Amino acid sequence: RKEVEQDPGPFNVPEGATVAFNCTYSNSASQSFFWYRQDCRKEPKLLMSVYSSGNEDGRFTAQLNRASQYISLLIRDSKLSDSATYLCVAHTGNQFYFGTGTSLTVIP
Amino acid sequence: EPEVTQTPSHQVTQMGQEVILRCVPISNHLYFYWYRQILGQKVEFLVSFYNNEISEKSEIFDDQFSVERPDGSNFTLKIRSTKLEDSAMYFCASRRGAQETQYFGPGTRLLVL
Repeated sequence: RKEVEQDPGPFNVPEGATVAFNCTYSNSASQSFFWYRQDCRKEPKLLMSVYSSGNEDGRFTAQLNRASQYISLLIRDSKLSDSATYLCVAHTGNQFYFGTGTSLTVIP
Repeated sequence: EPEVTQTPSHQVTQMGQEVILRCVPISNHLYFYWYRQILGQKVEFLVSFYNNEISEKSEIFDDQFSVERPDGSNFTLKIRSTKLEDSAMYFCASRRGAQETQYFGPGTRLLVL
């Protein structure tokens, strides 16, 4: 069973659209969660941490539902520069488990 | 802004050869990690390192792998006898505290021929 599962997409959306990504995790003991973005052949870069109360950073909103073991990322007013792969990450014990990533392409 | 650095950026080696991948974590960070990402696949955890010892390792991190922090700044991953399937991008990461997020280096692309 995969620790973290994501819909791989791809998501192709027009500029200005709102897009949502979902992620589930299998281990209820996971203690913290993150969204990273990864550009082609580059390292993952932290986008935001995910808190139970939900958190927002500009156009990005992350939510965590511990009861459903579900994490989401909402991107509003998509920009061309948002095109990337978005990685859902669960921190469990001393390990960080990555999902396969969801590919987003924002089209002009 | 401090960054994690990795050398070399690319490494080509023959099957069976030993390789050492080098990382310089951010200077006040205490937790160190190695990950690999096979082309087109997800980032996979290899090993975590804290207080000069391995704190956790995955099934991938078998006897051919080892890590070392030889001085106060470098953190190395050694692959003793490389196999074709070791070809991947290897990322080093570090974080300052147990509740803080980790920052990744730019990676070393390893190709085993």
